[in-house]
Amino acid sequence: DQQVKQNSPSLSVQEGRISILNCDYTNSMFDYFLWYKKYPAEGPTFLISISSIKDKNEDGRFTVFLNKSAKHLSLHIVPSQPGDSAVYFCAASTPPGYALNFGKGTSLLVTP
Amino acid sequence: KAGVTQTPRYLIKTRGQQVTLSCSPISGHRSVSWYQQTPGQGLQFLFEYFSETQRNKGNFPGRFSGRQFSNSRSEMNVSTLELGDSALYLCASSLTAGDPDTQYFGPGTRLTVL
Repeated sequence: DQQVKQNSPSLSVQEGRISILNCDYTNSMFDYFLWYKKYPAEGPTFLISISSIKDKNEDGRFTVFLNKSAKHLSLHIVPSQPGDSAVYFCAASTPPGYALNFGKGTSLLVTP
Repeated sequence: KAGVTQTPRYLIKTRGQQVTLSCSPISGHRSVSWYQQTPGQGLQFLFEYFSETQRNKGNFPGRFSGRQFSNSRSEMNVSTLELGDSALYLCASSLTAGDPDTQYFGPGTRLTVL
């Protein structure tokens, strides 16, 4: 049973515009959320995280928003650059360990 | 600093065989986690080792097992391979257990079961 869902398998955005990647989860016990980026033939790399006590976290061009009541989080990339083209995975975990539950990923294509 | 290395990078096996995959974490990292990535299920957590002890285990059958050595290197083993085991197996290391922000992934081992 997929507890973390990324319902958009792919997204295409023009360079300079905003990319919004969405993620929904079903387990209300999740309290830590992460986004990873993955290029072909490489492992995922950590991008940004947010704990459930916050509703927003920023790191440069990347911002993650968390709506706990809706069990929804989103990743905003502004402005989008061609180098951002990759597969983005949303993940969630519960304490005390951190067995990450991943979504299936969204493939982002940023076109010049 | 060298990243996480996984060997072999590609592997072809037949049904019923067993396979062992290896992961060498970043120097100084003591936690190693394993994940399976398939097109249908996405990334799924297999297990996590810290200081040679399994801390967490995902929802996989007993055919999937692992271990960690005193130098933090880890191996995972899959016995009696099935076609559905064809996947990219990713290993990730971190300094300590329970610290996903510092988790670094290797490039993965692509296993094909024929």
